Amino acid sequence: QKEVEQDPGPLSVPEGAIVSLNCTYSNSAFQYFMWYRQYSRKGPELLMYTYSSGNKEDGRFTAQVDKSSKYISLFIRDSQPSDSATYLCAMSVYQAGTALIFGKGTTLSVSS
Amino acid sequence: GAVVSQHPSRVICKSGTSVKIECRSLDFQATTMFWYRQFPKQSLMLMATSNEGSKATYEQGVEKDKFLINHASLTLSTLTVTSAHPEDSSFYICSAQDQGSSNQPQHFGDGTRLSIL
Repeated sequence: QKEVEQDPGPLSVPEGAIVSLNCTYSNSAFQYFMWYRQYSRKGPELLMYTYSSGNKEDGRFTAQVDKSSKYISLFIRDSQPSDSATYLCAMSVYQAGTALIFGKGTTLSVSS
Repeated sequence: GAVVSQHPSRVICKSGTSVKIECRSLDFQATTMFWYRQFPKQSLMLMATSNEGSKATYEQGVEKDKFLINHASLTLSTLTVTSAHPEDSSFYICSAQDQGSSNQPQHFGDGTRLSIL
């Protein structure tokens, strides 16, 4: 079993839809959770960063962490064609000085 | 916000060539930088951890003599792919964390796409 599981998709939705992206993990030591967006041929861009169970909202994005279930989610409201990208979940045990463990990434396509 | 610059963005070269990739933190200092490799439709896989002023730490299966890492200053780490072969073709990405703001996550460069003919 991989440490971080993420359905690669692809996921296709119409503009304006609510998108739900998910990751599960097996290592209960993970304490810090991130969502990155990656456009084709570009490096990952940080979207959300959280370290506690519960919800964190930033504009159209909501990150949700459930440590008891080892499950994290990213919700995108009112999705736009510009949201079309690959979304990577990432996590780490420590806050600083350690590499991130990534999910495989989910490819999202939002059609206008 | 924190910016990590990676150069070059694209390299195409013949088999046997050595290629150097630079990773710079532009507005912060980073004691530690990380080098990842990403194959098509795959996730980022850590290759090595670059430590300023000391030897890099390599992940299992990554040849340290093949992938030379130098972290000579708090804002620059380099990855040299020596005697590159077609199987080394990949997307190489670096990341860094502001050592003055440990409550912030890592920021990534835009990657280097390496194609070995």
